[in-house]
Amino acid sequence: DSGVTQTPKHLITATGQRVTLRCSPRSGDLSVYWYQQSLDQGLQFLIQYYNGEERAKGNILERFSAQQFPDLHSELNLSSLELGDSALYFCASSVEGTGAYNEQFFGPGTRLTVL
Amino acid sequence: AQSVTQLDSHVSVSEGTPVLLRCNYSSSYSPSLFWYVQHPNKGLQLLLKYTSAATLVKGINGFEAEFKKSETSFHLTKPSAHMSDAAEYFCVVRSMDSSYKLIFGSGTRLLVRP
Repeated sequence: DSGVTQTPKHLITATGQRVTLRCSPRSGDLSVYWYQQSLDQGLQFLIQYYNGEERAKGNILERFSAQQFPDLHSELNLSSLELGDSALYFCASSVEGTGAYNEQFFGPGTRLTVL
Repeated sequence: AQSVTQLDSHVSVSEGTPVLLRCNYSSSYSPSLFWYVQHPNKGLQLLLKYTSAATLVKGINGFEAEFKKSETSFHLTKPSAHMSDAAEYFCVVRSMDSSYKLIFGSGTRLLVRP
């Protein structure tokens, strides 16, 4: 158990809908990362938050957004869902956003299925 | 820009035989390298990380990896495969921009035959 929790574990929804994925980082970790794992794109970085502020963006669609709250949990919002958004979404946390060797601890993921 | 290339998409070994999963990296800087494992329907678990303190890195479950700068490689090995090692393995390099995000290879699926 990494100490990172993600809810829900599974989410099935229809095209055009909006969903929210939630992540609670390990106690004391200030940095949260979101990654998407899909069959065609592999594992890709989406976005990072550090202590409530957005720090970096990766290949995140404009239909997707995220935020980190004062208690450091984070939410990833996916809207106008398309079939291609079906994927496993991981959250990871680390002590801080800096430091080349800081380990990122991964949650169990949320599997999103868009029908 | 940093990147990693995993040279094999699938590797099949017999239980009790050695495991070799190959990874080459590309980096303008001294890289931070990791191996993660993903068991079916599970999250990602860190196996080991290269911190530049030693070129031979020991990880969990008997895995180790050797950093070879001259060959730009970071291959993962284990002397004797166990059935429970069957999983997908990812070679990862950390980005050196301000995000320090992880950049994943395409993965190698390890099959262990009884």
